Amino acid sequence: ETGVTQTPRHLVMGMTNKKSLKCEQHLGHNAMYWYKQSAKKPLELMFVYNFKEQTENNSVPSRFSPECPNSSHLFLHLHTLQPEDSALYLCASSRALGQGAHEQYFGPGTRLTVT
Amino acid sequence: AQKITQTQPGMFVQEKEAVTLDCTYDTSDPSYGLFWYKQPSSGEMIFLIYQGSYDQQNATEGRYSLNFQKARKSANLVISASQLGDSAMYFCAMSPSGDSGYALNFGKGTSLLVTP
Repeated sequence: ETGVTQTPRHLVMGMTNKKSLKCEQHLGHNAMYWYKQSAKKPLELMFVYNFKEQTENNSVPSRFSPECPNSSHLFLHLHTLQPEDSALYLCASSRALGQGAHEQYFGPGTRLTVT
Repeated sequence: AQKITQTQPGMFVQEKEAVTLDCTYDTSDPSYGLFWYKQPSSGEMIFLIYQGSYDQQNATEGRYSLNFQKARKSANLVISASQLGDSAMYFCAMSPSGDSGYALNFGKGTSLLVTP
């Protein structure tokens, strides 16, 4: 059973809609990540949070807005998306900065389709 | 900047045979971590194995071993005694330091198909 959950698993939204993706980790980690996986492309980092503070932003368009209210929850708020934003969005968690080298654990992903 | 290269888009292996998936990397950081992940068709990324840049021995985890050749900047994954359930995409990834809390840089992946 995965320690990282994501909801919803599938999402279809129009370009004018507003929706949110949710990620929750039950592993006691203090770092959380959003990655985007488009067809035929490697995973791309979107955002990194350490101890609830955003520490990396990979030049993501402002139509994607992350929120990390605590170390266990991470949200990705979506608005006025484009069809090219259709992808698998993966959340991950790990130990945080200064806690030694450790792997990231991934959730099952949200398959997003923008129509 | 770090870069991960996986040159094999697809590989076939017969059940019970061993297979090596290639990964080369480029970095100027003296300290870094190397990871392999498996992604079945369901989409979830499953951690397989980790190698730190200062680790003297190659990492092993069950049927998985990492052939780390630092001078050649390669970190190949070896899967012994392949099983049908090993069919999946395999990604090599790198972190920019010996610490957690940083984004992973992923290669494009290798699709492995295990045949009976």
